Amino acid sequence: GENVEQHPSTLSVQEGDSAVIKCTYSDSASNYFPWYKQELGKRPQLIIDIRSNVGEKKDQRIAVTLNKTAKHFSLHITETQPEDSAVYFCAAPRNKLVFGAGTILRVKS
Amino acid sequence: EPEVTQTPSHQVTQMGQEVILRCVPISNHLYFYWYRQILGQKVEFLVSFYNNEISEKSEIFDDQFSVERPDGSNFTLKIRSTKLEDSAMYFCASSVGQGSNQPQHFGDGTRLSIL
Repeated sequence: GENVEQHPSTLSVQEGDSAVIKCTYSDSASNYFPWYKQELGKRPQLIIDIRSNVGEKKDQRIAVTLNKTAKHFSLHITETQPEDSAVYFCAAPRNKLVFGAGTILRVKS
Repeated sequence: EPEVTQTPSHQVTQMGQEVILRCVPISNHLYFYWYRQILGQKVEFLVSFYNNEISEKSEIFDDQFSVERPDGSNFTLKIRSTKLEDSAMYFCASSVGQGSNQPQHFGDGTRLSIL
């Protein structure tokens, strides 16, 4: 089955700096890659997604890049703010969502 | 913006008892899912449901679990005889199309505590 590896497990950045989280997947048939943000005790919230026919997608301060050859995709958050602090999960769906282990992002002000 | 709604938000149940978790998916969505998240861990897939039948289930979804769409709006997860290790957050999700290329939207979850 699909296997998704996510790094790093924790990431601390200073407010205003950039944060990058990386995921690799195993199933070359995967063609849709969402990122979810989960605040403590709340639902996973879809923040950005990318389909395999594009290499990069941007939405304000967040962007996702995809390298299908290498089977990895990354989340980039620029100009980080304290409210970006949360757990971020990548996923590689095969009808169901197969989540990565999550990255705890702490933005220090 | 339409949302997936789940009830109750918190359920406390004695071990061995049956529990039913309820979800109302987004109205024009056709694919429904249940996931669980044990405290501090990642979200794990339980089951997907389409056209009134299970389309896929994980090894977690054993004979103690069942799902049902009893009417046009509700989607339920039943655990027949709860165990301590069933304690987790249970999330319902729905999508317009197949989850392999369509966004899945999550409800706020039900925190299930087994005593």
